[in-house]
Amino acid sequence: EPEVTQTPSHQVTQMGQEVILRCVPISNHLYFYWYRQILGQKVEFLVSFYNNEISEKSEIFDDQFSVERPDGSNFTLKIRSTKLEDSAMYFCASRAGGELFFGEGSRLTVL
Amino acid sequence: EDKVVQSPLSLVVHEGDTVTLNCSYEVTNFRSLLWYKQEKKAPTFLFMLTSSGIEKKSGRLSSILDKKELFSILNITATQTGDSAVYLCGPRSTGGYQKVTFGTGTKLQVIP
Repeated sequence: EPEVTQTPSHQVTQMGQEVILRCVPISNHLYFYWYRQILGQKVEFLVSFYNNEISEKSEIFDDQFSVERPDGSNFTLKIRSTKLEDSAMYFCASRAGGELFFGEGSRLTVL
Repeated sequence: EDKVVQSPLSLVVHEGDTVTLNCSYEVTNFRSLLWYKQEKKAPTFLFMLTSSGIEKKSGRLSSILDKKELFSILNITATQTGDSAVYLCGPRSTGGYQKVTFGTGTKLQVIP
């Protein structure tokens, strides 16, 4: 069964460092999303992406964040200068029809 | 701003019990409502509801939507320990290329 894959599964970084989280969406999907879940809190929408551009972003998705689809398969989330409060599980999701398919997540720990 | 309220926040039941999880929502340009089960990591899809009053079923799970009252329920009958998880609901809007806005979830624990 096709699935969304994310790497790395866990990343530890120092405050102020840049991190890139990678996602390979399901191959025939056209709509891509990043969500975030801080430990013990709800799954929060960050950004949606279609046709090589952002279609909507939340208030969380400030200038420190960017997304890119550098080739036909990868979809990346970059955090330019990480803060302690960026520590969370980051989920990538993709969609062809109605439902979103989620990856297993990348846990980011900022020290 | 889209709003989703799930209740109860948490629930502990014994195996074999039936549970009802509630989800009320406010969203601009509603398209559908989705239910997910989150065990350890990734939310996994359960149901997508588009029309009012039509029950969707999958085994012991069922769900229904009321678009007039802006709520949905998820029922689980004859619960098993494997049903222990956080259940998320989220309306999908027509905007933002149909992002889903999730509630805080209901944490269900099924004890033997």
